[in-house]
Amino acid sequence: GAVVSQHPSRVICKSGTSVKIECRSLDFQATTMFWYRQFPKKSLMLMATSNEGSKATYEQGVEKDKFLINHASLTLSTLTVTSAHPEDSSFYICSAETGTNNEQFFGPGTRLTVL
Amino acid sequence: GNSVTQMEGPVTLSEEAFLTINCTYTATGYPSLFWYVQYPGEGLQLLLKATKADDKGSNKGFEATYRKETTSFHLEKGSVQVSDSAVYFCALRGNQGGKLIFGQGTELSVKP
Repeated sequence: GAVVSQHPSRVICKSGTSVKIECRSLDFQATTMFWYRQFPKKSLMLMATSNEGSKATYEQGVEKDKFLINHASLTLSTLTVTSAHPEDSSFYICSAETGTNNEQFFGPGTRLTVL
Repeated sequence: GNSVTQMEGPVTLSEEAFLTINCTYTATGYPSLFWYVQYPGEGLQLLLKATKADDKGSNKGFEATYRKETTSFHLEKGSVQVSDSAVYFCALRGNQGGKLIFGQGTELSVKP
């Protein structure tokens, strides 16, 4: 089956620093990638939709200058949390969509802790 | 807009018990419906799906039937195992494709 990886799986950073999270589709090309945020014991909140070679589409209420998304190739999208603060601590999950049947495959998630 | 509502958890069952997790949806047109499972500390895995009314999705002993008349997609399993302990998410995607809309998740705990 299609595999999506995320790196790092876990990151701890100091307040005010920036953190980059990578999402890769390992054995297929992803026309579209999605970034979600999950709070403890809560559902997934879609942050943005990323298409290769174009600007990401952000959901209402998500700060595009805070959460920078780059989709430079058909197998890689990155999410950069800029000037991170403790309230940005969360579990971030990406998914990648194949072009064939539009099925989404999810990465294992990245646990971000901002001190 | 489209939305998904799941029964609240946590649900605690004994091994070999029957499981039902209710899911209802609101959507225009004919969405595709999904159940995802999330094991502790991991991302989501697709458990099963159905793309049109009366379709039954099934996998690993889990089943769900797309009921348009009741706008429901309840998840069932006849005999749960300890290894089924996880959070289960019901989701839909509109018939134009695009983003998934998730329910709030239901935590299942199966005791030996």
